[in-house]
Parts: sequence; C-alpha cells; structure tokens
Amino acid sequence: DIQMTQSPSTLSAYVGDRVAITCRASQSITNYLAWYQQKPGKAPKVLIYRASTLESGVPSRFSGSGSGTEFTLTISSLQPDDFASYYCQQYNSYPLTFGPGTKVDIK
Amino acid sequence: QVQLVESGGGVVQPGRSLRLSCAASGFTFTSFGMNWVRQAPGMGLEWVARISYDGSDKYYADSVRGRFSISRDNPTNTLYLQMNSLRDDDTAVYYCAKDVSPYSGSTFQDYWGQGTLVSVSS
Repeated sequence: DIQMTQSPSTLSAYVGDRVAITCRASQSITNYLAWYQQKPGKAPKVLIYRASTLESGVPSRFSGSGSGTEFTLTISSLQPDDFASYYCQQYNSYPLTFGPGTKVDIK
Repeated sequence: QVQLVESGGGVVQPGRSLRLSCAASGFTFTSFGMNWVRQAPGMGLEWVARISYDGSDKYYADSVRGRFSISRDNPTNTLYLQMNSLRDDDTAVYYCAKDVSPYSGSTFQDYWGQGTLVSVSS
C-alpha cells in the first residue's frame, strides 16, 4: 500500500499570508494526486487533481505542484474562508490513501 | 445537480452488523464507480471501499476487508455498505463519494454526501 505523509500537521497564519503544505508518497504516484479542503462538520471538497489541475470553481489563489513522490499545495494569499483542514490523496492505485491532514488556523 | 444522501447510521454494539445506504441522483449512476470513505471523530479521512460502475470490481481497505461488503443496485441508484463484526474503531462518519470520471479505473472523487454517523459502543 502507498503511504502518504503531510507536513506540517498544523499551520498558523495571517490573512494575506502565502502558505504551503507538503505531501509525500512512499513510492512514485506520477501525478495521480488530489488535494481536498474540509471544514468542520462538512464533506471534503476537491481543490486540485492531477497534482496541479485546478478544479472548476476553485479560486486561483490555490495551486498545486510536484510529481513522483513529493507534492505541494500553495495558497498565495490566505483568505478567511481558507481556514480549514487540507488532505492529499493518491489515486495511483488501490487502496486509495489520504495524508493525515493539515489544519490551517488563524494566527 | 448531483446529490448523495447517506442513511442507516446509528449506535450498534461491538460484533453486530449494520447496513448503510447512499441514494444517488442528478447524474447517470450506472456509469460511475462509487466509494465509501470514513472519518473517525477528530481524525483524518480513510478510504474504505470502492465498487465499479457495474459492480464487477470491488476494492477494500485492509482494515475492513473480510468484514465489510460494498454493493450497488443500479435500477434504484443506491449504493450500500454492509458492515459486519463491527469494532470500536469502526466508529466514524461514513461518506459516500462518486468517482470523477465514468467507466474509470483508479480515480479521485468529485462529489460527496454529507455523511452518516456510525457509533460502535457497548
């Protein structure tokens, strides 16, 4: 099974900050990586797929990069609506696996 | 619009069984693989199982293989998760989630239900 790790586990930032979350896979997943945002009590929402493709309707301040085993989600200017938890997911092979998550909160 | 509505959650004793349902609408259910993903209280997301569009292929997480069974009824647009031999660590919100692409293999999920809570406790 492919193991996913994320760092940091918690990120405290100000509105307007540029923030980055790293996701690593235990083996190459080429670019079969998605990023999800989840707010408390809500279902996850996909932000990015294929490592760097923005899902329709997602603000352009979100971007993704990487391939192989190392990936990054960047928020260029953090907005109040962005305070949430973020998860990466590999879909290269079954079983699908998620990273443990990064909680972004207000500093 | 796409809607996924889970039901069947509740409180159940360890060792017992429960069946979850997910009613789908707003898309051609018969063309898409479907998944169950769970989230224990205060924890992260864990993919549980996936079934292909026609029910011919099924995949499971190691943690549930042999105890849980995913199935679907295409004429009624309904996804199921039969959960047997439930354990305390199966306590979670269970989401059903739709594959993004029709007739696809391994892929991510673009629509999710709001979840149903399963609590395993004596």
